[in-house]
Amino acid sequence: GQNIDQPTEMTATEGAIVQINCTYQTSGFNGLFWYQQHAGEAPTFLSYNVLDGLEEKGRFSSFLSRSKGYSYLLLKELQMKDSASYLCAVGLSNDYKLSFGAGTTVTVRA
Amino acid sequence: NAGVTQTPKFRILKIGQSMTLQCTQDMNHNYMYWYRQDPGMGLKLIYYSVGAGITDKGEVPNGYNVSRSTTEDFPLRLELAAPSQTSVYFCASTPRSTNEKLFFGSGTQLSVL
Repeated sequence: GQNIDQPTEMTATEGAIVQINCTYQTSGFNGLFWYQQHAGEAPTFLSYNVLDGLEEKGRFSSFLSRSKGYSYLLLKELQMKDSASYLCAVGLSNDYKLSFGAGTTVTVRA
Repeated sequence: NAGVTQTPKFRILKIGQSMTLQCTQDMNHNYMYWYRQDPGMGLKLIYYSVGAGITDKGEVPNGYNVSRSTTEDFPLRLELAAPSQTSVYFCASTPRSTNEKLFFGSGTQLSVL
């Protein structure tokens, strides 16, 4: 099995930066995903990391350290529409499924 | 290209009733999944399939059944509905491995009263 931990809630101000951490304990690591889920909607793909380092996509960046079992999602220049739940999910080699963390609810205040 | 289509979007069941949640995808994806999501929680895997004729249990399979007779369709069956099955159900698919992103359906809100 896998143990995936992420904070339950975070609050930040419009225009600010927020960093959502995700730690995992697993063997046979085969990639880490971040998904965004707005209330009442399905999750949508944000990023995928399989090698160490930072992947940048516009205002969103995702970082991975495989040796530390650690990832973070960085949201810059926060907008009200970024208020959502952010799910960390880990894949294993020789497995057919992902394991999801419980999600981090980010609230952006004006 | 419709992607992953789930029906119905909403349903209310009485305890003990049965129903089938439909899921179909038109992307020729091999892997398909059923998740449930309780309020304020993450996704829990119910069942998954890696191809037609192949299904396997996830974390929370009790009270559910699935079948995969075609690549496109992956229905989820609730035989004797219980209040504990009140949840939002998501179907998802991915082409052929967990290295690729999941495509989700829009979800089914199920209440068992």
